Amino acid sequence: EVQLVESGGGLVQPGGSLRLSCGASKFTSSNYWMHWVRQAPGKGLVWVSRINRDGTFTTYADFVKGRFTISRDNAKNTLYLQMNSLRAEDTAVYYCVTERSVTTAGTDVLDSWGQGTLVTVSS
Amino acid sequence: DIQMTQSPSSLSASVGDRVTISCRASQSITKYLNWYQHKPGKAPRLLICAASNLQGGVPSRFSGSGSGTYFTLTISSLQPEDFATYYCLQTYSTLWTFGQGTKVEIK
Repeated sequence: EVQLVESGGGLVQPGGSLRLSCGASKFTSSNYWMHWVRQAPGKGLVWVSRINRDGTFTTYADFVKGRFTISRDNAKNTLYLQMNSLRAEDTAVYYCVTERSVTTAGTDVLDSWGQGTLVTVSS
Repeated sequence: DIQMTQSPSSLSASVGDRVTISCRASQSITKYLNWYQHKPGKAPRLLICAASNLQGGVPSRFSGSGSGTYFTLTISSLQPEDFATYYCLQTYSTLWTFGQGTKVEIK
C-alpha cells in the first residue's frame, strides 16, 4: 500500500517561509507525477501544484505562482513544497498526492493521499 | 485558469433519495472531469473519472455524465454512507482545478 507522510507544517508569520516535505514509502515515487492540494479550515479542496516524474516540469495555481516552488528528490523518494511570502490565506492543511493514469479512460486522476500537514500563517 | 462551479454548495436529503450534483466549467474541458467523495478525517476517494467511468469498487448507484462544460454526478438511491462532501476536479488544463464542493447532509 502506498504511504505518503507530509511534514514541515507549523506556525509562521505573514511574509515568512516554510518548506513542506512528503516522504513516500512502499512505492517508488519517481514513477509518479505528484501534486500538492490544500484545504483551508472549513473550506474545500484546492489544487496547488504539480510536478512530473523527473522534476523538469512544474505547474502552479495562480494564487501561489511566484511564491511557492514544488520540487522532488527521487533519490530520497521525497517531494517538497517551498513556500515563501506566506499570507494568512495560505493557512491550510497541505496534502501530497500521487497521480495515476487510467489508461482505459484516457485520463489522469489524483490517487493516493497523505494525511496532510497543517500550515498556519498568523502573527 | 479554468473555473469550476459546483451546485448546490450543500443539500439535505433522505436515505433512498435520488441526488444530482452539477459542475460547470468556464470553458470546454471535453471529458476531463473527475468526481471525488470526501469524508472528515479520511482521504478523498475517487468515484468517477473521465466524466462517466466508474472506478472499481464504487457502488453502481453512483454515475456521472456530461462533456464540454456541464457535468453531473448522480446518486440513484442515497445510502447512509454517502453523506459526505463531493468535489469535481478538471484535469484538462495543465493547471487542475476543483469545484468548491457539495456537502450532502442528512435530512
